[in-house]
Amino acid sequence: GESVGLHLPTLSVQEGDNSIINCAYSNSASDYFIWYKQESGKGPQFIIDIRSNMDKRQGQRVTVLLNKTVKHLSLQIAATQPGDSAVYFCAENGATDSWGKLQFGAGTQVVVTP
Amino acid sequence: NAGVTQTPKFQVLKTGQSMTLQCAQDMNHEYMSWYRQDPGMGLRLIHYSVGAGITDQGEVPNGYNVSRSTTEDFPLRLLSAAPSQTSVYFCASKGDGNQPQHFGDGTRLSIL
Repeated sequence: GESVGLHLPTLSVQEGDNSIINCAYSNSASDYFIWYKQESGKGPQFIIDIRSNMDKRQGQRVTVLLNKTVKHLSLQIAATQPGDSAVYFCAENGATDSWGKLQFGAGTQVVVTP
Repeated sequence: NAGVTQTPKFQVLKTGQSMTLQCAQDMNHEYMSWYRQDPGMGLRLIHYSVGAGITDQGEVPNGYNVSRSTTEDFPLRLLSAAPSQTSVYFCASKGDGNQPQHFGDGTRLSIL
């Protein structure tokens, strides 16, 4: 079946370095992707999204890259800070339903070390 | 705006008990949904609604009921709680089209 998944379950990053979190998707019809951040005891928080007609989108300290050829999505966090420690999820919002039933990967735990 | 508000934050039930998890949003969003989150797994969709009076099943609907009598509220009911329903439950809402879903802070539910 179709799925959205993450390559690395845990990512340890030194404070000040850049972080890269990867996500693979298998539904070639997917046309909308979202990255969420979830801190302990909180709900997922929207970070950035990208539509399939784009390859790259930038926000504040974050960049999402979409490679449709290999069905790969990545989130780059610049100058990682202790407050960036969290679980990061990518999610796919299927093209067949504009209302979108999000399908999530299992998540990547990002640990920022001093 | 408060966004998406879930109550209660924590609940412990005995097997066979029933309860309702409340969810309310003040963003006038048509689309609302319920997810459960279990350790090591991504969020899984239980039920969703595309507007008042309309609900549909998600990936894991068994054991749960929903209703949508107003745009603002989308309660989730457990009719007869089972230990397998121990989880963290998240409610989310979004606007029309391809928009990100906004999540509440969750209800942590334990079934003994």
